[in-house]
Parts: sequence; C-alpha cells; structure tokens
Amino acid sequence: SYELTQSLSVSVALGQTARITCGGNNIGNKNVHWYQQKPGQAPVLVIYRTTNRPSGIPERFSASNSGNTATLTISRAQAGDEADYYCQVWDSSTTAVVFGGGTKLTVL
Amino acid sequence: QVQLQESGPGLVKPSQTLSLTCSVSGGSISSGDYYWSWIRQPPGKGLEWIAYMYYSGTTYYNPSLKSRVTISVDTSKNQFSLKMTSVTAADTAVYYCARAQGGFDPWGQGTLVTVSS
Repeated sequence: SYELTQSLSVSVALGQTARITCGGNNIGNKNVHWYQQKPGQAPVLVIYRTTNRPSGIPERFSASNSGNTATLTISRAQAGDEADYYCQVWDSSTTAVVFGGGTKLTVL
Repeated sequence: QVQLQESGPGLVKPSQTLSLTCSVSGGSISSGDYYWSWIRQPPGKGLEWIAYMYYSGTTYYNPSLKSRVTISVDTSKNQFSLKMTSVTAADTAVYYCARAQGGFDPWGQGTLVTVSS
C-alpha cells in the first residue's frame, strides 16, 4: 500500500518561514492536499490539488510537489498557525485515500 | 454554504455495530461532482480514511476496514451513513464526515465514539 511520511514536529520562529514535508514514492505525480487541525477542532483544507488555496486561506500558505517530496510552506508564521498539518493523496493503484501521519508545527 | 453534522451513539459495546449518520445542509447530496466520506481519528493519533461514495452508488473503502464497513446514501433525507461491524476498543475515535472534491472540504465537527462494555 502507498505510504506518506511526515516529520513528527517542526518549529519555526515567529515571522519566519515554516516548511512541512510529505514524502512518498513518486508523489510528484499525484495531487496532494493539505489540512490544518487545531486542538479540539476538525481539520481544515488549506491546500488542494497540490498548489491551490481554498477561499479564506491566507496567501502565506503555499505548496509544491516534485519527485518524492511535497512541501507545504507557511510564510511569516504566526502564533495562530500552530497546529497539526496532514498531507493526503489518492492512491489509484489501491483506490484508497492515504493520509500522512501529521506534523505538529510549533511557532516559537 | 454546505454544512455537515454527524450523529449517532457515543458508546458502543465490543462486537456490536457502530452506526453513524451525517446530515448535509445548505446543498443537495445528489448535486455536483462530490464524494461523501467518513474519516476517523483515534485519541491523540492521526487521521484515517474509512470510505467514501458518490450519491449514485460508487463506493471506495479503506482496504484495512473494507470487510467491516458499509457506507450508504439516503438522498431523500440528504444524509449518508456509516455502519461498522464487530467493533473493538481499537475503533474508539472521533468520527468525521466530509465532502470530497479534490480534498475533503468541508468537514463535520466530529463525534466521539467509544467502544467499551
């Protein structure tokens, strides 16, 4: 089955740029979606189809995908960006949705 | 805008069947190119996709759960449902329903289901 690998945690200084990675075999050939989940809340879609931001998501959130790594970039990190972030793809070979294990972002 | 709301028992006994319903408001479950989905999250752990289906009946299941799970849609009530048989403590989780079209959005608020005798 297809697997997505995320670092358990990432720290970023207030106002700096955070990069959260999602590793998978040839993930560059897939559409990747990213979710933000704050404690006690449902996840929120922040990036869909690799590079698109839903309405209401700040331009500070961007993403890229190439080779075996997809990356979510959060510019000018704010305290309110502290959350767990999950990547997700559709694996056509098993016709299944796959989530990464999640990365906890801490803003220092 | 579309809103989703999960409902169902918060406590289920081991070996019994877990049944949840997701009510959709603000839009028709049978309009558009959307899939309707269930996702769960055990306490303190990550997200696990369970299943989704198109209103016309096409369904996809997590291979690891497929033998115990059924997802169905009731277009007359604008609802979709999840049934999971033979539950164990490992099925204790917050269960979310969500709409899918290039990513899951929006999500319901989630409902905690505890499997315990």
